[in-house]
Amino acid sequence: GAVVSQHPSRVICKSGTSVKIECRSLDFQATTMFWYRQFPKQSLMLMATSNEGSKATYEQGVEKDKFLINHASLTLSTLTVTSAHPEDSSFYICSARDFQRERGTGELFFGEGSRLTVL
Amino acid sequence: GNSVTQMEGPVTLSEEAFLTINCTYTATGYPSLFWYVQYPGEGLQLLLKATKADDKGSNKGFEATYRKETTSFHLEKGSVQVSDSAVYFCALSEYTGNQFYFGTGTSLTVIP
Repeated sequence: GAVVSQHPSRVICKSGTSVKIECRSLDFQATTMFWYRQFPKQSLMLMATSNEGSKATYEQGVEKDKFLINHASLTLSTLTVTSAHPEDSSFYICSARDFQRERGTGELFFGEGSRLTVL
Repeated sequence: GNSVTQMEGPVTLSEEAFLTINCTYTATGYPSLFWYVQYPGEGLQLLLKATKADDKGSNKGFEATYRKETTSFHLEKGSVQVSDSAVYFCALSEYTGNQFYFGTGTSLTVIP
């Protein structure tokens, strides 16, 4: 079964509002989680690496004030899209590593994804 | 540096046809290799993986062999089904870091 869960799976909001997406590791502790963005018919783009108890590491070109990441516990990371605009509409996917399950392979476990539509 | 190059799609096949999706990689160390599948509107699911040279990953009739000499990890299935329609991503990971590299994805559509 799923080991990483995202919520909500779909969200529609008005331009200018903020939206929070949650990513939970269900039965393991994830000191690091990753947030990806996926445009239609394209691959995943790593936005940031979320580290429990410290600041997230953002990839070049990703606005940290626009995409706020908080990793307050070992099982929860949140992505908040602040003052959302239509160009922020996208599919956002989180992932995490479960070091016990992956047994050193580096495998990532992905959430179901969250479809954000900004009107 | 590390990278993954994947066959571009879209690919359209008839049911029961043979599938190959090419994937080659560049890595500085000894990566693990993965194929992930993304069904419409969903996140990514691991399809199969291989962690060292000559390993063969297999799942649901799909196979891929880790070929170090050709730096390849091609995905194959002998007889595709309509339910295999999805986007397939080749990826590599090096355990020494938190780096994970994806190919661009290949969209597969299987028609009855």
